[in-house]
Amino acid sequence: SQQGEEDPQALSIQEGENATMNCSYKTSINNLQWYRQNSGRGLVHLILIRSNEREKHSGRLRVTLDTSKKSSSLLITASRAADTASYFCATDGLLSAGGTSYGKLTFGQGTILTVHP
Amino acid sequence: NAGVMQNPRHLVRRRGQEARLRCSPMKGHSHVYWYRQLPEEGLKFMVYLQKENIIDESGMPKERFSAEFPKEGPSILRIQQVVRGDSAAYFCASSPRGGPGANVLTFGAGSRLTVL
Repeated sequence: SQQGEEDPQALSIQEGENATMNCSYKTSINNLQWYRQNSGRGLVHLILIRSNEREKHSGRLRVTLDTSKKSSSLLITASRAADTASYFCATDGLLSAGGTSYGKLTFGQGTILTVHP
Repeated sequence: NAGVMQNPRHLVRRRGQEARLRCSPMKGHSHVYWYRQLPEEGLKFMVYLQKENIIDESGMPKERFSAEFPKEGPSILRIQQVVRGDSAAYFCASSPRGGPGANVLTFGAGSRLTVL
């Protein structure tokens, strides 16, 4: 299996419910990010959590990271129809060019979230 | 700020033709990345460039694919002698200079290549 695998592959919920998506990865990481992709569009960065952090919040988003289990979860609370999109986790490894972090990310296959009005 | 601009948005080529995809990074960003997304899959890293330099091309196929980011003008991803398996969405992303925030990417809307 690949670095950065999400589950479930698809999630269908009603507006107002919470949506939880999980991501597992294999190798050590510097950071883990979550991105959102609307159909036919580019990815939009949602949130970044560093390897020494366990939880992070941004608006209706809550991300957790468990480095011992090499897993992360993204929780969207009080979902809206506009949250319908694909959600991807992405990791960057410990390697770097010139000693600095850069954007060589490994993406999972994504979770397709559908929020019904 | 126009963000990351990619063109063309859609490109149709016949097998054996060449495809050229262009990307202008976000203003103030000097690092450009190309990713490929096959249908129903996540994005796969292809190449990382700075002005006039290829920093990491470990995700580029060994043949037919090349990328450049000249001193002036957009970054170009070039695919020669396209085959049906090259059909995909190609995304460009940019980031600020190295250091904190360097790995948070701003993506363009993508170029969708269809090979007939």
